[in-house]
Amino acid sequence: KAGVTQTPRYLIKTRGQQVTLSCSPISGHRSVSWYQQTPGQGLQFLFEYFSETQRNKGNFPGRFSGRQFSNSRSEMNVSTLELGDSALYLCASSLGLANSYEQYFGPGTRLTVT
Amino acid sequence: AQSVSQHNHHVILSEAASLELGCNYSYGGTVNLFWYVQYPGQHLQLLLKYFSGDPLVKGIKGFEAEFIKSKFSFNLRKPSVQWSDTAEYFCAVRANQAGTALIFGKGTTLSVSS
Repeated sequence: KAGVTQTPRYLIKTRGQQVTLSCSPISGHRSVSWYQQTPGQGLQFLFEYFSETQRNKGNFPGRFSGRQFSNSRSEMNVSTLELGDSALYLCASSLGLANSYEQYFGPGTRLTVT
Repeated sequence: AQSVSQHNHHVILSEAASLELGCNYSYGGTVNLFWYVQYPGQHLQLLLKYFSGDPLVKGIKGFEAEFIKSKFSFNLRKPSVQWSDTAEYFCAVRANQAGTALIFGKGTTLSVSS
């Protein structure tokens, strides 16, 4: 069974631009969660989607948004990029809602904002 | 708010030495507990998990962890480390209720010399 895939793997953007990251969960998994990983703050939860609905949201500004499609694939969008948004963005999928199942992580998208 | 504390930022061991990485969390209710590992250049992988039952859980590659509820701890252990165990280890905790997020510790870097 294929693992969680994320595209693109690397991305360079300039301040003020917006970016869209994509995540394909493991086949059969219906929940997708997003995390931001930085050296200073570590791994921080962004949001979780299940059945195309956002079920949980972390403490990030409204510039960070996401959505989930009927095939469980998910995208996250960051608008008006800031230098501090440079990070590894990880997607994780689970069979059901993340509070009941373990999560499997993808390789991440490395975003650099210049 | 929940928090997870990993006591050691960087641990250096020789091959065959025993390993114990500390993890404490702050939350008074029922929790699900996880240890993830991130090998150099690879994505986060689940080492082991605790949902309920026997507080001593065994994971992959000879790792085990013990949940001590009274101490709010979930320490990771391995009797004899190998050079290939060099990686970053993350403890993660989630309250066992709907709408909660997976909270990660800051991680412990383990360096094993051969």
